Amino acid sequence: AQSVTQLDSQVPVFEEAPVELRCNYSSSVSVYLFWYVQYPNQGLQLLLKYLSGSTLVESINGFEAEFNKSQTSFHLRKPSVHISDTAEYFCAVESNYKLTFGKGTLLTVNP
Amino acid sequence: DAGVIQSPRHEVTEMGQEVTLRCKPISGHNSLFWYRQTMMRGLELLIYFNNNVPIDDSGMPEDRFSAKMPNASFSTLKIQPSEPRDSAVYFCASTRGGQPQHFGDGTRLSIL
Repeated sequence: AQSVTQLDSQVPVFEEAPVELRCNYSSSVSVYLFWYVQYPNQGLQLLLKYLSGSTLVESINGFEAEFNKSQTSFHLRKPSVHISDTAEYFCAVESNYKLTFGKGTLLTVNP
Repeated sequence: DAGVIQSPRHEVTEMGQEVTLRCKPISGHNSLFWYRQTMMRGLELLIYFNNNVPIDDSGMPEDRFSAKMPNASFSTLKIQPSEPRDSAVYFCASTRGGQPQHFGDGTRLSIL
């Protein structure tokens, strides 16, 4: 069985500040790792993914995440956030076809 | 390209009524998933179809829930009879060939 723990349910930050959203996972087999973002009243959108290769993956809007196998972590970071980054962020692991999600972290960016 | 399309977007009904949620996956995708999202339990996988065949329905809460996929472009999730604890947002997602899942905008269901 696999599980995902997002350590912070809410993260408030000021605009242009750096942010880190933490994610730890457990799995007995190799997994793929994902971050999804959910804006209010919308579905989940893929932000970035780790399948293999370089452990640092980046999205087109400035987010990055690093896969750390020894610490079983996949933390999401952005050096400078915008108001428009306010949303809920979900970390997920996939084994075979099955996606297991964390409980989500609500990122609120204040002016 | 059109994304995953779900209908209705919102549904409010009284307990005991039958509820049918609909999903049109992305054309060419051969895997379809139904999820339920609640504050208490987060996102849970209800059922997974591959090539229109149910592969894993272990997440379906009880016999009141049923799902079908009569063809590659349509799936339904039915609750009969509905109960207040079924209130949640239900998402459909589709994918193909090991690609990441694409989600619809969900159906917000309220059972009074």
